[in-house]
Formats: sequence, structure tokens, C-alpha cells
Amino acid sequence: DADVTQTPRNRITKTGKRIMLECSQTKGHDRMYWYRQDPGLGLRLIYYSFDVKDINKGEISDGYSVSRQAQAKFSLSLESAIPNQTALYFCATSDSGFYGYTFGSGTRLTVV
Amino acid sequence: SQQGEEDPQALSIQEGENATMNCSYKTSINNLQWYRQNSGRGLVHLILIRSNEREKHSGRLRVTLDTSKKSSSLLITASRAADTASYFCATSGSARQLTFGSGTQLTVLP
Repeated sequence: DADVTQTPRNRITKTGKRIMLECSQTKGHDRMYWYRQDPGLGLRLIYYSFDVKDINKGEISDGYSVSRQAQAKFSLSLESAIPNQTALYFCATSDSGFYGYTFGSGTRLTVV
Repeated sequence: SQQGEEDPQALSIQEGENATMNCSYKTSINNLQWYRQNSGRGLVHLILIRSNEREKHSGRLRVTLDTSKKSSSLLITASRAADTASYFCATSGSARQLTFGSGTQLTVLP
């Protein structure tokens, strides 16, 4: 099993729908992150969490919310999806030392 | 906004040649990291260099860091077709997370 598992791998949804992307990890890391990748723009941080009770907004949090259900689980929600949220979404984890992130395989989300 | 900017945006070389990618950043850092991404897949951590280090090696990878110029370079020696991927630099500073650049797309031709 992968260290960081994202579900679903691919999703097509309609404008206005609520959608949840899930992430679970077996690394035992406290820190978890959600990034969005658009072509030519690299990765941009949406939300991050340093433990179950510590959740922080990133660079582009508008239109998104998160839930840290347990140390190993961090989910990202789009309350009302819009087409410009079409992107590749990555979950990542790290230990407290920032000595490298472990990424999931990504969720390709298309909003039509 | 992106902290790091990679240069060039795209690089095409022949197998066996060396590939050099550069990264510039704007603010002070604690460390700088390089990642690789195969098409549409998750990023994989390659190497980390701390702000008090100037050069680091890992296998065929060599990373340099010049904090006075706020720049880093990644050298891949004796490249292989399997090295074809996008390469990203990421910086860790006073903010409690990594900030990624926009990446260099490397193509190694057999």
C-alpha cells in the first residue's frame, strides 16, 4: 500500500456540486497538506494541518474547506464546485523537521 | 505567489549528457528541496540542502546553493531516458510550509 493514499483518482463533477477529496497516510506524520497544481503554475498550497487541532489556510483557500478527522486522515471539500477549480490536487505529509514531503498520487478533478 | 522560479522552463538533452536546472527564490530560507514529478503523478523528494550548506551530492544528483544570490542549481549527470520528468524546487522559510516553483520540464532523448 502507498504511504499516502488519495481517493478518488479521477472525478468529474458538475458546477455547484459539493465534492470531497480524501487523503490517508501510513507514515505516522503529524503534518498534512493539500496542494493544487495547474499547468505552468507549479503547486499552490490550499490548506495545511500540523496536528488534529491545528488547521491553517494556505495561499488559495477560498472556495475550499478541510477536515482533519485523525492524525492519518485529512480531507478537502469543495462546497460548491466551479469550473476554475478544475486541477490536479495533491495531498502531502511531512514530519516536524520539513525534511521532505511525501506526496500522494493525486486526484484529477474536472468541474463541468 | 511562487517563491521559487525555475530556469529553464523546458530542457531537452541527449541521453548521457548532463542536465542543469536553476532555481531562484525571493526570501530567506531554512532549506531548499528538489522534487521530481513524472507526468501526472505525485512529486518525489530528491534532495534537501540546508541554508548553511553550499553543495550536496546524492548519486547522480548535485545541488548547489548560493544564499547571497538566492539561487540553487540541480545537476543531473549522465542523464537517462528515465530521468524525463518535471523538476521542482521548493523552499522552506519562516512560513511553516514549502513553497514550490513552477518547474522545469526535462526531456532526455534516447
